[in-house]
Amino acid sequence: GAVVSQHPSRVICKSGTSVKIECRSLDFQATTMFWYRQFPKQSLMLMATSNEGSKATYEQGVEKDKFLINHASLTLSTLTVTSAHPEDSSFYICSARDAGAGTSGGAPEQFFGPGTRLTVL
Amino acid sequence: AQTVTQSQPEMSVQEAETVTLSCTYDTSENNYYLFWYKQPPSRQMILVIRQEAYKQQNATENRFSVNFQKAAKSFSLKISDSQLGDTAMYFCAFMKPHSGAGSYQLTFGKGTKLSVIP
Repeated sequence: GAVVSQHPSRVICKSGTSVKIECRSLDFQATTMFWYRQFPKQSLMLMATSNEGSKATYEQGVEKDKFLINHASLTLSTLTVTSAHPEDSSFYICSARDAGAGTSGGAPEQFFGPGTRLTVL
Repeated sequence: AQTVTQSQPEMSVQEAETVTLSCTYDTSENNYYLFWYKQPPSRQMILVIRQEAYKQQNATENRFSVNFQKAAKSFSLKISDSQLGDTAMYFCAFMKPHSGAGSYQLTFGKGTKLSVIP
């Protein structure tokens, strides 16, 4: 199956610093990537949809200036948490949609990265 | 907006037995996709099974099968011959068709924590 990687898997930073998380599709091209946030024992909440070569679409309540998303190529999207604070501590997960999938009429699958645990001190 | 409801926060099942996880959803769409994802302690999201709404036949994947009732907007997951490795959080998810705002986005339920007991 298709593989999505995330880097780093775990990061600890001081309050006020910025943190960049990378999401890569390793063996397929992804025109669309999605960024989720998951608090402990809760579900995944979609933060934004990242489209290659265009601006990301943010969900209601997500600060676009705080969570900067860049999707510069068909295999890489980045999420930068700017001026991180302890309340930003969470598990961040990306997923990618295979640009060539779903064309045969089957359900278009999203492939998930392993997640990044962010801890802001 | 779509909503997905999983009414069972936690469930347990004896090894080798069968368990059913429930999921209901609300949408005004006629064509859509439904998924069950598994999230083990590693937190890697793993696709268990998927269903296209236009297909009447229930999807099956080895020990996993669904009961898709479109009129009732119900999409339950049955796990047969439960194994210890099935212990995980299970999320039901809804995906809009490929057109318009929000296409291909997944809306997740709150999840059901399944424990398989030896």
